[in-house]
Amino acid sequence: SQQGEEDPQALSIQEGENATMNCSYKTSINNLQWYRQNSGRGLVHLILIRSNEREKHSGRLRVTLDTSKKSSSLLITASRAADTASYFCATGSTGTASKLTFGTGTRLQVTL
Amino acid sequence: GAVVSQHPSRVICKSGTSVKIECRSLDFQATTMFWYRQFPKKSLMLMATSNEGSKATYEQGVEKDKFLINHASLTLSTLTVTSAHPEDSSFYICSARDGSRDYYNEQFFGPGTRLTVL
Repeated sequence: SQQGEEDPQALSIQEGENATMNCSYKTSINNLQWYRQNSGRGLVHLILIRSNEREKHSGRLRVTLDTSKKSSSLLITASRAADTASYFCATGSTGTASKLTFGTGTRLQVTL
Repeated sequence: GAVVSQHPSRVICKSGTSVKIECRSLDFQATTMFWYRQFPKKSLMLMATSNEGSKATYEQGVEKDKFLINHASLTLSTLTVTSAHPEDSSFYICSARDGSRDYYNEQFFGPGTRLTVL
């Protein structure tokens, strides 16, 4: 079953602006991961944040995790047209750590 | 490192035929592989988990006789869609977990296979 709900479902911004996507989940997790998918392609792993971490950075990406609210956010700073893609959060739950449950995804469009 | 390939990338078949999709980990040993299905503009739905040398574990609602999974080696898993019908048309994506890495379940995804059943 789909655990994660992401919002917004779609986001359109101009190049240079920041993009923020949110993910909420329902059960206890071991870790949360963010993936990117270009149209008709496979998934690219962006960043993994463990349940005992609150914030993580990777280049222009910043991920936060609030386990008390069961939510995470992905911030892409200084967006570029090449960032246009769908972004999914995925959670690994405690007890079934090898399985990932994907969120509904946010379609990001970055225009020039 | 951690590259996963899928073959074919695209397949069109007639209704009633069977289609086999291969998923390979190219530079690591995949103790566990996963098969997902994705409908247009939708998220990934886990179909089954396969461990090398054992039977696959299917998610609820996935017909194991319809979607045959074989994880014969540490670098290869196959998904066979048997007696395919138009409703089986979808984007199938595999992923692999490197058993030598740490506990946190980072998965490496293949590029996907677009199946169209006429």
